[in-house]
Amino acid sequence: EAQVTQNPRYLITVTGKKLTVTCSQNMNHEYMSWYRQDPGLGLRQIYYSMNVEVTDKGDVPEGYKVSRKEKRNFPLILESPSPNQTSLYFCASSIVRPRAYETQYFGPGTRLLVL
Amino acid sequence: KNQVEQSPQSLIILEGKNCTLQCNYTVSPFSNLRWYKQDTGRGPVSLTIMTFSENTKSNGRYTATLDADTKQSSLHITASQLSDSASYICVVSVGNTDKLIFGTGTRLQVFP
Repeated sequence: EAQVTQNPRYLITVTGKKLTVTCSQNMNHEYMSWYRQDPGLGLRQIYYSMNVEVTDKGDVPEGYKVSRKEKRNFPLILESPSPNQTSLYFCASSIVRPRAYETQYFGPGTRLLVL
Repeated sequence: KNQVEQSPQSLIILEGKNCTLQCNYTVSPFSNLRWYKQDTGRGPVSLTIMTFSENTKSNGRYTATLDADTKQSSLHITASQLSDSASYICVVSVGNTDKLIFGTGTRLQVFP
C-alpha cells in the first residue's frame, strides 16, 4: 500500500530533550516536506527536500533540523525542544516538486507536547 | 502578500443536504489550486487539483470550481454524508516556486 508513515504518532517530552520524528514513504517520491499545524493557523512548512541530500528551509524552520540521506526517509529533529513547538506535525511527499500538477500525500501526523 | 482565505470557518448541515465552501486567494503568480479533506486527527487527503485553465473538477460527490479572473474557488458537496464531517483546506501553489499557501480551512459537521 502506497503511504507516508510517521513515528511516533504521539509524543510527550520535556524542554531541552532532543527528539527525532521519523518519516518514510514507499512511493519513490522525490519531494518531501514537513509541516506543523496549530489551531487557527493553516499548515506551515518547516523544511522541504527536493531529493537526496537536498534540503531547504520553509516558513518556520527555527528550532528544527532535517536530513535526507535516503530517498524514502526524511526525519525531523528537534535538538532542544521548547513549549512553543507543541503542535501537530505532518510529513508529506510528492513525485516531484509542488509547482507541478501532482498530488501531495500526507502522513497521519505526530502530536507533540513539550512540557 | 500571498494569502488564502476560506469561508465560512465552520458549517453545520443535515445529512443529505448540499453545501458550498468558498476560497478566495491573493496569490500571484498562480500555478494551481488544491482542495484537501482532513478528518480530525488525520493527515489531509487530496480531493482535486486545478490549473488556471480548468473551471470545474469533480471527484465523486465533490465538485470544485475555479475562477482565475476573480481569484475564487468553491467546493460543492452534493448529498452530504456523515463521513463528510471534516475540515476542508484550500491550497494555492505559487507559480514558478514550490511554495504552497494553505488556507485555515472550513470545518464541516454533518448531522443525521
